[in-house]
Order: sequence, then structure tokens, then C-alpha cells
Amino acid sequence: GQQVMQIPQYQHVQEGEDFTTYCNSSTTLSNIQWYKQRPGGHPVFLIQLVKSGEVKKQKRLTFQFGEAKKNSSLHITATQTTDVGTYFCAGPNTGNQFYFGTGTSLTVIP
Amino acid sequence: ETGVTQTPRHLVMGMTNKKSLKCEQHLGHNAMYWYKQSAKKPLELMFVYSLEERVENNSVPSRFSPECPNSSHLFLHLHTLQPEDSALYLCASSQDSSGRNIQYFGAGTRLSVL
Repeated sequence: GQQVMQIPQYQHVQEGEDFTTYCNSSTTLSNIQWYKQRPGGHPVFLIQLVKSGEVKKQKRLTFQFGEAKKNSSLHITATQTTDVGTYFCAGPNTGNQFYFGTGTSLTVIP
Repeated sequence: ETGVTQTPRHLVMGMTNKKSLKCEQHLGHNAMYWYKQSAKKPLELMFVYSLEERVENNSVPSRFSPECPNSSHLFLHLHTLQPEDSALYLCASSQDSSGRNIQYFGAGTRLSVL
């Protein structure tokens, strides 16, 4: 079956360091969405990318969608304690079946 | 406040109990979802409803029974659950079920099965 894997599963960084999570799908995705779930909270939508090779920025966050539309990345520059949480990629395959990635849990050490 | 409300927030039940989880969305969306989130596991999509019709059922045990009486309400009826069913159950809604729209999540119901 389809899988959407994210690496790393866990990441601890010192505040101010950069962070990157990678998302890889076994099949082509129509679009890629990123969600953030704070500890004890629920997933909250961050951004959606649709086009092959698309790059979008939100302040310190940079999102990229791969050329083959099977992978994506989220990069955070100069992490802050407010960045703590689990980051999920998600998206539908060409059959409109929606999958969430396995998630990357980010801990920021002050 | 995301516009998706789930009740109860916490639920403890025995294996022989019958309970229901409720989800209500105030966003005018046509699709609603149930997800299960266990510790150290990815979000597992359980059911998808579009315009009150079930469009996806991902091999979920029959002890979980969904109900969607209208596009604003979604229930998950629980009976004879197992301890491994303890998890956070999240409801979400989106404009439609195509996967091309943002999903808005409720705060979830933390379920413990004793």
C-alpha cells in the first residue's frame, strides 16, 4: 500500500539552529500539505503546494515540493521554542486517497 | 477555535461499554473525517464522509461504527472496544473529499479503554 514516510522521526535542536524534515511518498501526490501539531494539540494546516518544484516561504519556514511530486521538505531557519511540535506532510494520490506522513517531532532546547 | 467541535474531550470506558463520540463543524464543509492517533504512530484515516455518504472505510474493525446524519455532524459509535483502541480520536472537515482542500481538525477525544 501507499506510504508517506518522514525523516527524521525525532529531532532535538538548540534554539537558533536550523531544522529540516523530509517527506517521501511511494506514489505521486496531487498536492502536498503541511500541518503542525503542538504537544497536546491537534494538527493545524500550515501550507499547501501544488506545482512540481514549487517553493513557498512563511517567515522562517521554507517549503518545497519535489519535481516528481513524490517528496517534499520543510526547513525552519533559526528555530525558536514556539516551533516545538510534530510536523506532518499530507496529500492525496492521483486516486484522491489522502495520506498523512509519519511525522517529525521537533524539540527546541532553550 | 477551528470551527470543528468534538465532545467529549476525554472518555474512559470499559470493554463492555457502548459510547459515542460527537463531532460538529460550523464551516459549511461537505466532507468530514475520523482519524485515530496512537502514541508513536502516524495519523490513521478511519472514515471519510462526503455529503453524508461514506466514501472511504479503511479496514476499520466493526466495533467502530460511524454515522453522519447531515453534513455538519459526525458520530463515532463505540462498542466492545479493546485496550489497544485507546488513542486520540480526531475529527476533521474540509470543503470536499478530493484531498485538494485544507482539513480543519477538532481538538480530539482522548479515549482510554480499560
